[in-house]
Amino acid sequence: DARVTQTPRDKVTEMGQEVTMRCQPILGHNTVFWYRQTMMQGLELLAYFRNRAPLDDSGMPKDRFSAEMPDATLATLKIQPSEPRDSAVYFCASGFEGLAGEQFFGPGTRLTVL
Amino acid sequence: KNQVEQSPQSLIILEGKNCTLQCNYTVSPFSNLRWYKQDTGRGPVSLTIMTFSENTKSNGRYTATLDADTKQSSLHITASQLSDSASYICVVTSGTYKYIFGTGTRLKVLA
Repeated sequence: DARVTQTPRDKVTEMGQEVTMRCQPILGHNTVFWYRQTMMQGLELLAYFRNRAPLDDSGMPKDRFSAEMPDATLATLKIQPSEPRDSAVYFCASGFEGLAGEQFFGPGTRLTVL
Repeated sequence: KNQVEQSPQSLIILEGKNCTLQCNYTVSPFSNLRWYKQDTGRGPVSLTIMTFSENTKSNGRYTATLDADTKQSSLHITASQLSDSASYICVVTSGTYKYIFGTGTRLKVLA
C-alpha cells in the first residue's frame, strides 16, 4: 500500500530553533509539494518540485524557509529560525505531473513554535 | 485574481440525510476541479476530479457537478454516515500545477 510518509508527526520547539521536516514521496512519483495549513488560511502551497528540481517556491518566506530534494526518496522543509507564527500543520504531497495529476497527501507534521 | 470560495463554512446534519456543498471559482485558465475529503488529523484524499467537458462525476455516495459556464461546482452526499464527518475542500487547477484551494466546508454528521 504505497503512501506518502512524513516525519516527525508532531514537533514542539522554541522560537529561534531550527526545524527540519522530512517527506518520503510515493515511489515513481515525479512531483512533490509542500503545503502549510492553518485554521485561518486553509492550505497554502509553499514549494513545488518536479523531477527533484524546484519549480515554484514563491509561497515560501525565503529568509527562513528552505526546501530541498536531495534524492528521489526524500524531500525536506527547513525553517531557521522558527517563529511562533510558523505554527501550523505542514503537508507533503506527491504525484505525477499532468493536467489530471492527482496529489497524494502525507499525514502531515504538526508544528508548534513556543 | 484566482479564487475559490466554498459555502457553507460549516454544516451539521443528521445521519441518513443528504447534503450539498458549494464551490464557486474565478480561475483562469481552468484545467480541472477536484473535491478532497480531509478527516481530522489526516491529509486530504481525492474524491472526484472533473475537467472542463465533464459536468458530473460520482464516487459511491458522493456526486460532484460542474457548471463551467457559471463557474460553479457542487458536491452532493447521499444518505450521510457518521464517517462523512470531515472537511471537504474544493481545488481548482490552473495550467499544469497551479492549485487554488478553497478554505473548505466542515461537515458534522450526528447520530
